[in-house]
Amino acid sequence: DQQVKQNSPSLSVQEGRISILNCDYTNSMFDYFLWYKKYPAEGPTFLISISSIKDKNEDGRFTVFLNKSAKHLSLHIVPSQPGDSAVYFCAASVSTDSWGKLQFGAGTQVVVTP
Amino acid sequence: GAVVSQHPSRVICKSGTSVKIECRSLDFQATTMFWYRQFPKKSLMLMATSNEGSKATYEQGVEKDKFLINHASLTLSTLTVTSAHPEDSSFYICSAMTSPGSSYNEQFFGPGTRLTVL
Repeated sequence: DQQVKQNSPSLSVQEGRISILNCDYTNSMFDYFLWYKKYPAEGPTFLISISSIKDKNEDGRFTVFLNKSAKHLSLHIVPSQPGDSAVYFCAASVSTDSWGKLQFGAGTQVVVTP
Repeated sequence: GAVVSQHPSRVICKSGTSVKIECRSLDFQATTMFWYRQFPKKSLMLMATSNEGSKATYEQGVEKDKFLINHASLTLSTLTVTSAHPEDSSFYICSAMTSPGSSYNEQFFGPGTRLTVL
C-alpha cells in the first residue's frame, strides 16, 4: 500500500522555465515532508523540506507548497537549469514515529532541455 | 555533505547463494542506518532500521531471517541476503543518520547496490 504517490514518472521542461513536481499522500498522520534529488549512480540527496505547520517553504530556486486538506505537496523549481535534470523523490514521515523513517514516492524524472 | 558508500555497486549471484552488501559512513559516525529496496519504477521501500550495537527493526512483511542486518560499528552496517532467489533481484540502498533526533537533512544515502540473482 503506497502511501506517497508521484503520479508523473517524467517531466520535460525548457531551461529557464518553471518545473512543477507533484506528490500526493494518503496517511493523514504524516507531518513532515521532504524532497530528494538523485543523479544516476548516486544516492538521493536532501533538497528541501516542510513541516505540516507550514504551507510553504522556500530555498533559493526551490519552493515546496503543502496543501494538507488535499494531502498534496508540490515542488517548484524556477528557473530550471540543465543541472536540475535528475530524479526527484517526495518523502513523508510521522515525526512522532521512529525518527528518520521515511515513506518515499516512486520518483519523477526531470529533464531540462536547452 | 557527509559521504556514505556501498559495496559492491553491482553483484550477480546464483540462486541459493548468499550475498553481503556493505554500507559505510566515511567521514561521520552513524548511530542509525536504514536499508531500502527499490523495484523498477517504484518507490524506495524501507526494509529495516539498524542501530549500532542492537538488533535491527524490520518493517512489516520483511523476512528478518532472509535479510540479515548487522550494525557492528558506528561506520558499518551490512545486509546479507541469504539463499537468494531471482525475486530478490533489486536495487538496495542504505542511508545513515548521525544521531537520534538529527534533522532529516542529516540522513545521507549511499549510491545503492544492484543485485541480480540468476
